[in-house]
Amino acid sequence: AQSVTQPDIHITVSEGASLELRCNYSYGATPYLFWYVQSPGQGLQLLLKYFSGDTLVQGIKGFEAEFKRSQSSFNLRKPSVHWSDAAEYFCAVRGAQKLVFGQGTRLTINP
Amino acid sequence: EPEVTQTPSHQVTQMGQEVILRCVPISNHLYFYWYRQILGQKVEFLVSFYNNEISEKSEIFDDQFSVERPDGSNFTLKIRSTKLEDSAMYFCASSIVDTEAFFGQGTRLTVV
Repeated sequence: AQSVTQPDIHITVSEGASLELRCNYSYGATPYLFWYVQSPGQGLQLLLKYFSGDTLVQGIKGFEAEFKRSQSSFNLRKPSVHWSDAAEYFCAVRGAQKLVFGQGTRLTINP
Repeated sequence: EPEVTQTPSHQVTQMGQEVILRCVPISNHLYFYWYRQILGQKVEFLVSFYNNEISEKSEIFDDQFSVERPDGSNFTLKIRSTKLEDSAMYFCASSIVDTEAFFGQGTRLTVV
């Protein structure tokens, strides 16, 4: 069965610092991978997705993610975070007819 | 930009009551989903719906749950007799193809 692990429950970074959120997945075939962001009280917004091709994918809000098959990882990165990036971030893998989500990583930004 | 719309944004109901959560998917989308998120937990899949029938459902989606697409625009989730543990944020999602999903803002259901 598909599964997603986000090892970091909570991360705090300073505004302007770089960010990397980790995601490991388990899936038998070539995965479809996603990162979603959830701001407080809001729904899930798609940041980026990987289906195939270039393993470095660009998303909205300056985020990017790199697919590494050998490590079963799909880590999310941003070179310089802004206070508005404070939110919950969810990694997900596409299974049969559904998305399987990780536990989420809560990102706090220090001024 | 088209978006998935959910109503109401917050619903409070008494235990044992029936609730219907409503969703208007993006208009040209063909696949529809319900997910839920219990406070502080991960987002969990409930059900997927395609071609006017359920295509997959999770163990959570028992006989107390049902979905319907009563017309060309709405997609509903009904919980027949709510329990305290049904309290959660319920997300509707839709997609053109079955490889990704666009989510609504969610309905927060509180069962008291």
